[in-house]
Amino acid sequence: AQSVAQPEDQVNVAEGNPLTVKCTYSVSGNPYLFWYVQYPNRGLQFLLKYITGDNLVKGSYGFEAEFNKSQTSFHLKKPSALVSDSALYFCAVRDGAAGNKLTFGGGTRVLVKP
Amino acid sequence: EAGVTQFPSHSVIEKGQTVTLRCDPISGHDNLYWYRRVMGKEIKFLLHFVKESKQDESGMPNNRFLAERTGGTYSTLKVQPAELEDSGVYFCASRMVDNSPLHFGNGTRLTVT
Repeated sequence: AQSVAQPEDQVNVAEGNPLTVKCTYSVSGNPYLFWYVQYPNRGLQFLLKYITGDNLVKGSYGFEAEFNKSQTSFHLKKPSALVSDSALYFCAVRDGAAGNKLTFGGGTRVLVKP
Repeated sequence: EAGVTQFPSHSVIEKGQTVTLRCDPISGHDNLYWYRRVMGKEIKFLLHFVKESKQDESGMPNNRFLAERTGGTYSTLKVQPAELEDSGVYFCASRMVDNSPLHFGNGTRLTVT
């Protein structure tokens, strides 16, 4: 079985400050990890993924995430948050060895204040 | 290219009625998925089509849910009869090949009263 935990329901940050959204995962095989963002009344948009290779992955809109195998984490980061980054963020995992379905975390709402 | 489109965007029905949700994937995407988010909880997998075949339907909650993808193009998800606990947002997603990111539609918000 595979699972994802996003321990924070909401993250508040001032504009210009660093933003971190936490994610830990559990999977039997090799983890394929993803971050998606959802703006109000919209579908989920792909931000970045880790399949293999460099542990630091860079994605859309200045976001990056670091794969940490020993801590089974894949935290999302942005050095300087914008008000427009306010949205709902979902971490997801897929077992690279078996199956095609993504398992999502519960989501973290990010609020960036001016 | 056009994205994944879902119809309707909102649906309000009474308990016991039937509702059919439709998803048009991105053209050429053989893989089509249905997910749902109930009561603000995590997004849960429902099922996966490869072309017209059901590859994995392990997430379908019960036999009141029926998904089809005749011809391997658009897909429908029918709930019959609907129950209160079926309320939530139903997302459709598609992708072309393994390891490529999923492209999601805007979802259908279903409210069962």
